[in-house]
Amino acid sequence: GQQLNQSPQSMFIQEGEDVSMNCTSSSIFNTWLWYKQDPGEGPVLLIALYKAGELTSNGRLTAQFGITRKDSFLNISASIPSDVGIYFCAGRPSYNNNDMRFGAGTRLTVKP
Amino acid sequence: DAGVIQSPRHEVTEMGQEVTLRCKPISGHDYLFWYRQTMMRGLELLIYFNNNVPIDDSGMPEDRFSAKMPNASFSTLKIQPSEPRDSAVYFCASSWGQETQYFGPGTRLLVL
Repeated sequence: GQQLNQSPQSMFIQEGEDVSMNCTSSSIFNTWLWYKQDPGEGPVLLIALYKAGELTSNGRLTAQFGITRKDSFLNISASIPSDVGIYFCAGRPSYNNNDMRFGAGTRLTVKP
Repeated sequence: DAGVIQSPRHEVTEMGQEVTLRCKPISGHDYLFWYRQTMMRGLELLIYFNNNVPIDDSGMPEDRFSAKMPNASFSTLKIQPSEPRDSAVYFCASSWGQETQYFGPGTRLLVL
C-alpha cells in the first residue's frame, strides 16, 4: 500500500498562478519521482530526483529532493490550462530499490 | 519508439468470468511492473518481473490473480474468477534497470 502522504488532495487555481504540492514519507527514499496523469491515460514522468538536496527544473516545473530524504516538493510556475490533471509523487524506498510507492495524487484544476 | 502497449484498453465482463490483460513493454527494458489504480486505494504495485522472472508478487490481492511473462516482449495479468471489486484501471510499466518506469495507457476493467 501507499507509504507516501501527498498534499494537497486538490487545488483550484487561476491561470497564471503558481502551484506547490509536496510529498512526505515515514521512511527514507533513494529516488523521488513526479508524474502527471491526464484523464484516460497512464502517468507520465515529469521530473526524477536521485540525490538528497537535488533541485531540478523542467520548463515551468521545479522539484526538490528533501535533505532528510523523506520528502519532496513540486512547484509549477505561471500555470496554464493544460496543467490540469492529477500529479503523483512516487519514490523508491531505501530498503527495496525496485519497489515504487505512490502518493494519492493532487488533482489540479486551472481556471482560465 | 512505441511506448508500453496494453490491450484491451477497456474490458467489461460479468462476475465469474476470466479476464486476461496484456502488456508489451518497451523493447530493451528488463523490468516489467503491473499496477492497479482505484479511487479508494490509488496506485498499487501488484507484481514485477526482472528478465521475465517474477521478483515480488506480494501486492497481488489473492489467488484469483496471476501474472506471467513468457518472454521479454509480453506479459499477461489474469483474473479468474473476476469479481466486481476487481473493477479498476490496470497499468503496465517497464524500465531499464533502476531507471524510470514508463507507463502504458492502462486497461479499464469493469466487472458487473
